[in-house]
Amino acid sequence: NAGVTQTPKFQVLKTGQSMTLQCAQDMNHEYMSWYRQDPGMGLRLIHYSVGAGITDQGEVPNGYNVSRSTTEDFPLRLLSAAPSQTSVYFCASTVRTGGGEQYFGPGTRLTVT
Amino acid sequence: KQEVTQIPAALSVPEGENLVLNCSFTDSAIYNLQWFRQDPGKGLTSLLLIQSSQREQTSGRLNASLDKSSGRSTLYIAASQPGDSATYLCAVSSTDSWGKFQFGAGTQVVVTP
Repeated sequence: NAGVTQTPKFQVLKTGQSMTLQCAQDMNHEYMSWYRQDPGMGLRLIHYSVGAGITDQGEVPNGYNVSRSTTEDFPLRLLSAAPSQTSVYFCASTVRTGGGEQYFGPGTRLTVT
Repeated sequence: KQEVTQIPAALSVPEGENLVLNCSFTDSAIYNLQWFRQDPGKGLTSLLLIQSSQREQTSGRLNASLDKSSGRSTLYIAASQPGDSATYLCAVSSTDSWGKFQFGAGTQVVVTP
């Protein structure tokens, strides 16, 4: 199993550009989440999905869109990048059996200039 | 809304001393609590998962306890080593949204030789 994979690892965008961060998991987990991490802060939830076709907003959803057409993939779209979206983005998947453990991808470091 | 606090924000100990890291949460209706380790510039590595019905979990030199009634979890690391230097994060999920985690801001640990 590859676990949770994210691409790209690094990205630089100009203000106003759009892009999609990719996330995939091969563990057949129902639950997937996107977080952002800023210096000195913990992780904040952007969007999450409880299964294919179902998504919902987290704590900081503004400026981001998600969709979940398959169990495996959960892409995060930045609609019009702003400097405030400079951050490290982590994707995670969670399995209910065995207690609900969360597994993280390696992260995408995004800089918006 | 669940709030998760980790105090202290930073901790420095000499090698060989036991580490005690604290995590407190405001809503006792949790599904589970997960401890993570994060090295600088890296992703999150899961250390221990405690389900709401459990009082503690152990893995090698690590032991995590859970007291739901007081809203606290403690991570103990025995006989610390310089390689234990990292940021430690706790995350809590709730019974009404088992895959949705709220993170603390983390405790940055430095173990000096």
